[in-house]
Amino acid sequence: AQKITQTQPGMFVQEKEAVTLDCTYDTSDPSYGLFWYKQPSSGEMIFLIYQGSYDQQNATEGRYSLNFQKARKSANLVISASQLGDSAMYFCAMSAMDSSYKLIFGSGTRLLVRP
Amino acid sequence: SAVISQKPSRDICQRGTSLTIQCQVDSQVTMMFWYRQQPGQSLTLIATANQGSEATYESGFVIDKFPISRPNLTFSTLTVSNLSPEDSSIYLCSAGQGGEKLFFGSGTQLSVL
Repeated sequence: AQKITQTQPGMFVQEKEAVTLDCTYDTSDPSYGLFWYKQPSSGEMIFLIYQGSYDQQNATEGRYSLNFQKARKSANLVISASQLGDSAMYFCAMSAMDSSYKLIFGSGTRLLVRP
Repeated sequence: SAVISQKPSRDICQRGTSLTIQCQVDSQVTMMFWYRQQPGQSLTLIATANQGSEATYESGFVIDKFPISRPNLTFSTLTVSNLSPEDSSIYLCSAGQGGEKLFFGSGTQLSVL
């Protein structure tokens, strides 16, 4: 069975600094995808970044990068140069690359950016 | 990227009634899903909406309580039936071509009195 673990219920970061949000996963599937989503207080889920299990390089999307360590089964999100608007819940998720593409989510990390 | 419109954005319903949530995607997509997010919790998959056939429900979710339709590749509805206060949650539609990008609608905040 697949499982996603986010061990940080809450994090603080100073504006303009970088922050790492942790995510570990467990799966027996040889092919899978890892996602990060941002959920502001409005409730919408905003796609941030994707990493495929066979991707050789770490994914990057603007200020977001995914530190993918396959042997450790970790997929940490790094946000550089934090902004006040980054304050939100962040969810790590995984999908099996079979035909289902169902997402399994971690419990989330609430990030607060201090001015 | 797909743009997903979900409505209503929020509703307050009486116990015993039903609410139907609509999800419209601006392009044809292979996959459509419905998720529930209970207060302070993470997201849980309710079902996969299959085009032209019955939805595939996850353990703990049944068709009588959460009937789903998907008449074409751009549209789906979720009905939450016989509402109780325990159904108060955010319901989210997700869609994509599978693989790298799965996008979400803005969610429906349901409160049941």
